[in-house]
Amino acid sequence: DAKTTQPNSMESNEEEPVHLPCNHSTISGTDYIHWYRQLPSQGPEYVIHGLTSNVNNRMASLAIAEDRKSSTLILHRATLRDAAVYYCILRESGGGADGLTFGKGTHLIIQP
Amino acid sequence: DTEVTQTPKHLVMGMTNKKSLKCEQHMGHRAMYWYKQKAKKPPELMFVYSYEKLSINESVPSRFSPECPNSSLLNLHLHALQPEDSALYLCASSGHRGAMNTEAFFGQGTRLTVV
Repeated sequence: DAKTTQPNSMESNEEEPVHLPCNHSTISGTDYIHWYRQLPSQGPEYVIHGLTSNVNNRMASLAIAEDRKSSTLILHRATLRDAAVYYCILRESGGGADGLTFGKGTHLIIQP
Repeated sequence: DTEVTQTPKHLVMGMTNKKSLKCEQHMGHRAMYWYKQKAKKPPELMFVYSYEKLSINESVPSRFSPECPNSSLLNLHLHALQPEDSALYLCASSGHRGAMNTEAFFGQGTRLTVV
């Protein structure tokens, strides 16, 4: 899997939007961009994924740059429950099972 | 049911003990995984099972022995572990990459302490 680069940590205030960046300059045309988060003392949980177009779901939005070399996870209104480590992961499409290769992720701190 | 259930939640074992970690899912996923996570580090992939067959072993020492008895169950047998093997062991399941839903579901993990 191609590598991603994320800031080590970010801080935001409760009820404000949060933009979490991810750089993936060596992404291939068939790589999907996945985001997972890990709350304290829990297993990782899926947040969102996309290929080329921006994506929205109940948890977040994913904005993908036109050249696909970077993406941004957007939490529209952060709550204290969103404090977690957020991982940006590239995953090849196609058949077969593989594992997720986690980078260091971004530790998101939410201030009340 | 979108749960991956891991038992036990906590385990303390001696270096000469034999123990097993268990993982169960009922989402019909045919890909299951074991990860190891040390404190303040990201999860690291250990094993991948695809259609109940071991497809990826990330050079894991033989004191860790995975087993997939059926499509819903995944075990990790532990024997002669070292204190440095103490970690959170996570199980996950997913559809295969070509499937529409490729998100992985993780269990809460087993926190293992080797004494």
